[in-house]
Amino acid sequence: GIQVEQSPPDLILQEGANSTLRCNFSDSVNNLQWFHQNPWGQLINLFYIPSGTKQNGRLSATTVATERYSLLYISSSQTTDSGVYFCAVSPQGAQKLVFGQGTRLTINP
Amino acid sequence: GAGVSQSPSNKVTEKGKDVELRCDPISGHTALYWYRQSLGQGLEFLIYFQGNSAPDKSGLPSDRFSAERTGGSVSTLTIQRTQQEDSAVYLCASRPGYTSYNEQFFGPGTRLTVL
Repeated sequence: GIQVEQSPPDLILQEGANSTLRCNFSDSVNNLQWFHQNPWGQLINLFYIPSGTKQNGRLSATTVATERYSLLYISSSQTTDSGVYFCAVSPQGAQKLVFGQGTRLTINP
Repeated sequence: GAGVSQSPSNKVTEKGKDVELRCDPISGHTALYWYRQSLGQGLEFLIYFQGNSAPDKSGLPSDRFSAERTGGSVSTLTIQRTQQEDSAVYLCASRPGYTSYNEQFFGPGTRLTVL
C-alpha cells in the first residue's frame, strides 16, 4: 500500500520562529489533508490540498503532486501551535485516508 | 453548524465485555468513516460507509469488530469480547459527496480503555 512519511518527527522552536513540515507519499493521490491534533486529541482540519498552494493566516501549504510531496509552513509560531501535525492522503481509487506518523511541534515561550 | 459528535467520550471496560461506540456525522454528509489511533499503530482506517452501498470493511482488525449505519446517518461501532490491545482512541469522520475528492472532518473521539 501507499507509504506516507513525515519529517521531522519532532521539532522544538522558540515562539516567533518559522517552521517547515514535510510529507512524502509513495503513489498518486486523490486527496491530501493536513491536520493539527490539539492536546485534547481533536483533529483540526488545516488544509485540503491535493495540489497547488493555499494560505490561511500564518499557515500555508504547498503540494507538488507530480513529485509526491507536500509542505506545511508555519510562520511566527505561537505556543498554541504546539501539538502533532498529521498529513493524510487518499490513494487513487481509494476512499480512506492513510496517515503519516506525524510531526510533534513544541513551541516554547 | 454542528460538527461530528461521538459518544461516550471515555469508556473503561473489563476484558471480555462488549462495547458500543456511537458517531453522529455532520448533517448531509453521505460518507462516514471509523479510524483508530493507538500508540503502536498510529492512525489507521477501520471501516467506510457511503450512502446505501455495502461498507468497506477492509480495515477491521478482527471479526470481533463490526459497525452499522442506520438510516444513512448515525453509526455504531461494536467491539465484542474486548481485549487489552483494543485500547485506543476511536475516531469517526464524515465527508460530503461521493468521491474522495472532498475533505474529511473528524469527531473528538472515544477513548477506550480495556482493563
